Amino acid sequence: DAGVTQSPTHLIKTRGQHVTLRCSPISGHKSVSWYQQVLGQGPQFIFQYYEKEERGRGNFPDRFSARQFPNYSSELNVNALLLGDSALYLCASSLGLGQPSNQPQHFGDGTRLSIL
Amino acid sequence: AQTVTQSQPEMSVQEAETVTLSCTYDTSESDYYLFWYKQPPSRQMILVIRQEAYKQQNATENRFSVNFQKAAKSFSLKISDSQLGDAAMYFCAYRSPGRDDKIIFGKGTRLHILP
Repeated sequence: DAGVTQSPTHLIKTRGQHVTLRCSPISGHKSVSWYQQVLGQGPQFIFQYYEKEERGRGNFPDRFSARQFPNYSSELNVNALLLGDSALYLCASSLGLGQPSNQPQHFGDGTRLSIL
Repeated sequence: AQTVTQSQPEMSVQEAETVTLSCTYDTSESDYYLFWYKQPPSRQMILVIRQEAYKQQNATENRFSVNFQKAAKSFSLKISDSQLGDAAMYFCAYRSPGRDDKIIFGKGTRLHILP
């Protein structure tokens, strides 16, 4: 079975541009979460979507937005890119059923975003 | 707000030896979940072991075990019989039993395995 897939693998943008990152969850998983991992740090929670609705939001500016599609795939959008947005963006999926904490999250390989 | 602290940025261990990675956390909640994740150079975050706070028994997964001290808010990871494939970044993480999937990660410990 395919794991969590993210595209693209690498991306280079310049300041002020916008970017869209994509994530396909494991088949059957209805919850998708996004994390930002700056070099040398642990991942930080950005968003979680379940059944196409936002379930959780981290402490990120409004330049960051996301959505989930009927097939449970998700997009993370970042507008007006800043140098500090350079990071590895990780997507994680889970079943999302029942008590959320009982459902392990499965992570993708991430998208490396570099801002010049 | 919950925080997770890993005080060892890097550690090294001889192959086949045992190593312990430290983690402390801060929370006012009584019910929560703790994790250790491994991130090799391939970047994928892999769940190593999970501990429910309401369970007194320490979790074990083959060569990996934890020492969970709830009162001290300590959650260390012991790796026995270290193997070259264990070399990676290890993250300690915390999760509330709430509505969302938010996981709070520490800054990580880079583990080197010496042949």
